[in-house]
Amino acid sequence: DTAVSQTPKYLVTQMGNDKSIKCEQNLGHDTMYWYKQDSKKFLKIMFSYNNKELIINETVPNRFSPKSPDKAHLNLHINSLELGDSAVYFCASSQLAKNIQYFGAGTRLSVL
Amino acid sequence: KNEVEQSPQNLTAQEGEFITINCSYSVGISALHWLQQHPGGGIVSLFMLSSGKKKHGRLIATINIQEKHSSLHITASHPRDSAVYICAVVDSNYQLIWGAGTKLIIKP
Repeated sequence: DTAVSQTPKYLVTQMGNDKSIKCEQNLGHDTMYWYKQDSKKFLKIMFSYNNKELIINETVPNRFSPKSPDKAHLNLHINSLELGDSAVYFCASSQLAKNIQYFGAGTRLSVL
Repeated sequence: KNEVEQSPQNLTAQEGEFITINCSYSVGISALHWLQQHPGGGIVSLFMLSSGKKKHGRLIATINIQEKHSSLHITASHPRDSAVYICAVVDSNYQLIWGAGTKLIIKP
């Protein structure tokens, strides 16, 4: 049973479209994260979220928004996709106090 | 030269052997992660270090901030330890920079 699962694994779409990537964790963790990995293999945190607080990296465009229907899910919505959004996006979760993060397998987004 | 270098790239050992994987980095960091990825599975962060040494079961991670070097040790290795081990550092811009990974195979 995968602890942190992301769907879809691959997403190919046109510029200007709106898309969502889903993330679910079955570990009972209280905090979830979205990371973007660019072509240089840098993994940059975009958001961290628990049921009390959303922390946003201020460099992330507001076209990106996290949505959490419940504690086990943190979905990433992207509006008006741009070419530069092409990257691998990783979801992760942790029990905040322990700081050990479990990652999903990643979603490769290609914007054409 | 990559910001994070790991060695070896591949390692095959017999069950029971003591395993060491090394990581060197060239940037200033606030923390270093050791991650484990099983084939077809997700990635688990094993340790997050900013100084000294941490131990969890048969796994030991050490970091020397002055030398910009970290090691991951596995004692009494077992075939279920077979995985890719990744060193990743958190730089001053809160970026997580990944090494290329070390593929470890433990033979019974």
